[in-house]
Amino acid sequence: GQNIDQPTEMTATEGAIVQINCTYQTSGFNGLFWYQQHAGEAPTFLSYNVLDGLEEKGRFSSFLSRSKGYSYLLLKELQMKDSASYLCAVITGTYKYIFGTGTRLKVLA
Amino acid sequence: DAGVIQSPRHEVTEMGQEVTLRCKPISGHDYLFWYRQTMMRGLELLIYFNNNVPIDDSGMPEDRFSAKMPNASFSTLKIQPSEPRDSAVYFCASSLAGGAGGPSYEQYFGPGTRLTVT
Repeated sequence: GQNIDQPTEMTATEGAIVQINCTYQTSGFNGLFWYQQHAGEAPTFLSYNVLDGLEEKGRFSSFLSRSKGYSYLLLKELQMKDSASYLCAVITGTYKYIFGTGTRLKVLA
Repeated sequence: DAGVIQSPRHEVTEMGQEVTLRCKPISGHDYLFWYRQTMMRGLELLIYFNNNVPIDDSGMPEDRFSAKMPNASFSTLKIQPSEPRDSAVYFCASSLAGGAGGPSYEQYFGPGTRLTVT
């Protein structure tokens, strides 16, 4: 089968760095992306990886290792507004979109 | 642009009734997606269209669900008859075409329709 695994919940302190991991097993791979979703709102796009390595975008970075079926989202200088769910998703070889159930991040003052 | 528009924002209906959810994608976007989100199952892709043509409907749970896109600016998701287990938030999203012939990785989501079936 195809699946994506993420931790259900994480807690971190304002100003700190947090890493949210994602592992996947899919038939084929056309890319991995991360979305942020605040409670009661729609998901918004954060980042996309198709090749191995690190993609940096301001305070957010995303890493991909295709051979390991592994990605992480790194959030630096955490702010209270970063409290949200973070969804990892993979585009499979046949352009199916598989989403993880999300990691709920709580940022504490 | 106003972004992806969905209506209604909230729908409460009784089991057995027909429900129609509506979506207007961002103008110029080639792809339109319908998702369902629940606490238990997370975000699930139901179906997506390219240039108004359904490309992959393998996520549609059963024959009670149907989706149409009669033109580039409008799509509907219909559930008939509805059941309590259909209660969820239904999102519509749209995107441009990507460089490799598929959709772009960046999808723009509408605000969602919260459906409650009693």
